Amino acid sequence: AQSVTQLDSQVPVFEEAPVELRCNYSSSVSVYLFWYVQYPNQGLQLLLKYLSGSTLVKGINGFEAEFNKSQTSFHLRKPSVHISDTAEYFCVVSRSGDYKLSFGAGTTVTVRA
Amino acid sequence: SAVISQKPSRDICQRGTSLTIQCQVDSQVTMMFWYRQQPGQSLTLIATANQGSEATYESGFVIDKFPISRPNLTFSTLTVSNMSPEDSSIYLCSVTGQASNEQFFGPGTRLTVL
Repeated sequence: AQSVTQLDSQVPVFEEAPVELRCNYSSSVSVYLFWYVQYPNQGLQLLLKYLSGSTLVKGINGFEAEFNKSQTSFHLRKPSVHISDTAEYFCVVSRSGDYKLSFGAGTTVTVRA
Repeated sequence: SAVISQKPSRDICQRGTSLTIQCQVDSQVTMMFWYRQQPGQSLTLIATANQGSEATYESGFVIDKFPISRPNLTFSTLTVSNMSPEDSSIYLCSVTGQASNEQFFGPGTRLTVL
């Protein structure tokens, strides 16, 4: 079975500063990796996904993530955050070809002016 | 992407009663799932709703507590039976997109059990 560890439960950051959310996974088989975002009182939205190919993945709203197989990591980054990026971010993994998603515990990002 | 609606959006229920949550998708989808998000926690998969057959439950979840129906390719229901305060959670349905490795989530049903 695969598991996901998000290393930071809360990340406070000032507006226009960069942010990095760390995610490590463990799996004995090849995986797909995702980042989902949950804005306050809203549903989950897919930010980006890694299935195969280029290890640098670009998503919506200026976010990107890099898959590092040797370190089993999939960290999420944004060079300059906005107040509207305040949300809960989930790192998610599934086995290649499987539909079941395993969610990390989530990282709460709070952007301050 | 699929458009998913859930009813009700929220409810407050008494201990010992049951609540049925509906999930409607605007297009036919192969896979539908039900998740639970307990207060302050991440999402946990409850079961896969199979069209035309019994749902497939994850470890820790049983059919008697969470009966699921899926009569067609656009609709599913989850019932939370004999509720207790520990069932207070957000319940979400999800579906796979045309690229089946991608899932889309409904807005969730916020359940409070008193």
